[in-house]
Amino acid sequence: ETGVTQTPRHLVMGMTNKKSLKCEQHLGHNAMYWYKQSAKKPLELMFVYNFKEQTENNSVPSRFSPECPNSSHLFLHLHTLQPEDSALYLCASSQGREGNTIYFGEGSWLTVV
Amino acid sequence: AQKVTQAQTEISVVEKEDVTLDCVYETRDTTYYLFWYKQPPSGELVFLIRRNSFDEQNEISGRYSWNFQKSTSSFNFTITASQVVDSAVYFCALSGPFRGASKLTFGTGTRLQVML
Repeated sequence: ETGVTQTPRHLVMGMTNKKSLKCEQHLGHNAMYWYKQSAKKPLELMFVYNFKEQTENNSVPSRFSPECPNSSHLFLHLHTLQPEDSALYLCASSQGREGNTIYFGEGSWLTVV
Repeated sequence: AQKVTQAQTEISVVEKEDVTLDCVYETRDTTYYLFWYKQPPSGELVFLIRRNSFDEQNEISGRYSWNFQKSTSSFNFTITASQVVDSAVYFCALSGPFRGASKLTFGTGTRLQVML
């Protein structure tokens, strides 16, 4: 059983919809991450939060809006997405120090139609 | 800038064969960390190993072993006596200095297919 839980596991949404991905970590970590994995592309870091503060936004379009209400929860709010945003979105967590191991959730498979 | 290269896109082996997955990295940092992750079809990235740049000892864990060589900037992964359950995509990753959290640069992955 993974220490990082993501819901929903699968999501199909229209381009005009608004939806959210949820992530919860049970590992007592301080840092949380969103990664995007598209077909034929390397894993891309999207956002990093450390102690609830956003420390990295990797030039992500504003149609992706992260929220980190506490160190255990992370959301990714989605609105007016494009079909090319269809991908596997992975949430992860680690202790808030450089080089610490990042533990990933099972991912949310997103399809934009 | 950091970079991780996994030149092998896909490898197919027959069960019980040994297989080595290559990873070459680039970094200007003197302190860095290297990782291997396994991604089965379900999607989750499963952590396998973490190695820091000052520890060049090779590591063995069951059928898995890792060879870290700073001189060639490589961190290769060997599976001995492969099994069908080893079929997955394997990612090598590099993390350097970053304010207060880890920031991984991933390779493009190697898909391993183990056949009966």
